Amino acid sequence: AQRVTQPEKLLSVFKGAPVELKCNYSYSGSPELFWYVQYSRQRLQLLLRHISRESIKGFTADLNKGETSFHLKKPFAQEEDSAMYYCALAKYNFNKFYFGSGTKLNVKP
Amino acid sequence: ETGVTQSPTHLIKTRGQQVTLRCSSQSGHNTVSWYQQALGQGPQFIFQYYREEENGRGNFPPRFSGLQFPNYSSELNVNALELDDSALYLCASSLGQENTGELFFGEGSRLTVL
Repeated sequence: AQRVTQPEKLLSVFKGAPVELKCNYSYSGSPELFWYVQYSRQRLQLLLRHISRESIKGFTADLNKGETSFHLKKPFAQEEDSAMYYCALAKYNFNKFYFGSGTKLNVKP
Repeated sequence: ETGVTQSPTHLIKTRGQQVTLRCSSQSGHNTVSWYQQALGQGPQFIFQYYREEENGRGNFPPRFSGLQFPNYSSELNVNALELDDSALYLCASSLGQENTGELFFGEGSRLTVL
């Protein structure tokens, strides 16, 4: 069965510290993986997707098929990164999406 | 370019009643998907409509049904409401199979079932 697991409900770091939000998945096939973010009082929005291999707002994520992981990383956290982060998996034709339970990132000054 | 809009924003129903939630997709998008987000949980996929046809469904019972109209707006209908149906219902639009998977979300409709 398809599943996305985010083991941490809350992650607190100090400004300037590295941050890593963990995401593991199970899927019988080649998944498409995403990170979505929800800032305070804003709607859920795409942060990045693995097929683009891009860095957005200093965040990167590498798909590790061996470990079935797609962890989100940033070398130096900023206060404005404080938000709710969701890892998501989609089938190849994007007709089904599976979201993790989310990790709340709190960046302290 | 208008974003995804949902209505109503909040509503209260009693167990056994029926509810209809509405969603207007972002301009140019032909695909709408619906999600249920319980408190403290991530969005759970209900179903997706692509060009007026359901083309994907999650693990939700048949009392969750939907429609997509020619203008690509959509409705989510839930019959025989149960207490556990209390949640935030999110609509997201996208370009479906022609896109790279980016979902554009609305702000949601918060349903409370008493």
